[in-house]
Amino acid sequence: ETGVTQTPRHLVMGMTNKKSLKCEQHLGHNAMYWYKQSAKKPLELMFVYSLEERVENNSVPSRFSPECPNSSHLFLHLHTLQPEDSALYLCASSQESPRGPTSEKLFFGSGTQLSVL
Amino acid sequence: ILNVEQSPQSLHVQEGDSTNFTCSFPSSNFYALHWYRWETAKSPEALFVMTLNGDEKKKGRISATLNTKEGYSYLYIKGSQPEDSATYLCAFLSGGYNKLIFGAGTRLAVHP
Repeated sequence: ETGVTQTPRHLVMGMTNKKSLKCEQHLGHNAMYWYKQSAKKPLELMFVYSLEERVENNSVPSRFSPECPNSSHLFLHLHTLQPEDSALYLCASSQESPRGPTSEKLFFGSGTQLSVL
Repeated sequence: ILNVEQSPQSLHVQEGDSTNFTCSFPSSNFYALHWYRWETAKSPEALFVMTLNGDEKKKGRISATLNTKEGYSYLYIKGSQPEDSATYLCAFLSGGYNKLIFGAGTRLAVHP
């Protein structure tokens, strides 16, 4: 299997549930990202892991909790979400330089469409 | 706050038409400009990464230009085909901010 794989593709959850989104990349990249796509809004960066360390969280609410156990896997743990959190959640990976910004392109997964009831 | 604007928001063209759309970004502290194509129910796919003022990139019938001094990039599609129907996203990388900022995209529909 190649590229970036996300599971599940669709998820419906209640506000009191706890669920996790999973992302796996088979490209040997050293950086992974969570993006959120809300209706009619640009992609919003939520979390970045570079060399397995979180480098940015963009003030995302604590009901979203990322985990990056190794350079190939990324999770987004969800708990007590709100209906306004319903969106498409995209994972991406790239090869980043620890010395600073690069011009490397992102490779995206197909996303998890999340509905919070 | 870094802002990336794309226009138009959506575009309908006939098969065979050529078309173009615009991405505007801050002209200061430029590092790179990305273009992605996002087909429905698929993953966004990188088209171009552009870093130098005056850059022109081409991939088949799709090409892009970059003007970093005035802060804009154009994406051109020559002889549009139905399979070109997708949302085209641009993303700006600032040397100061270090992460990509995406525009809202231009949704292109090519009708047979």
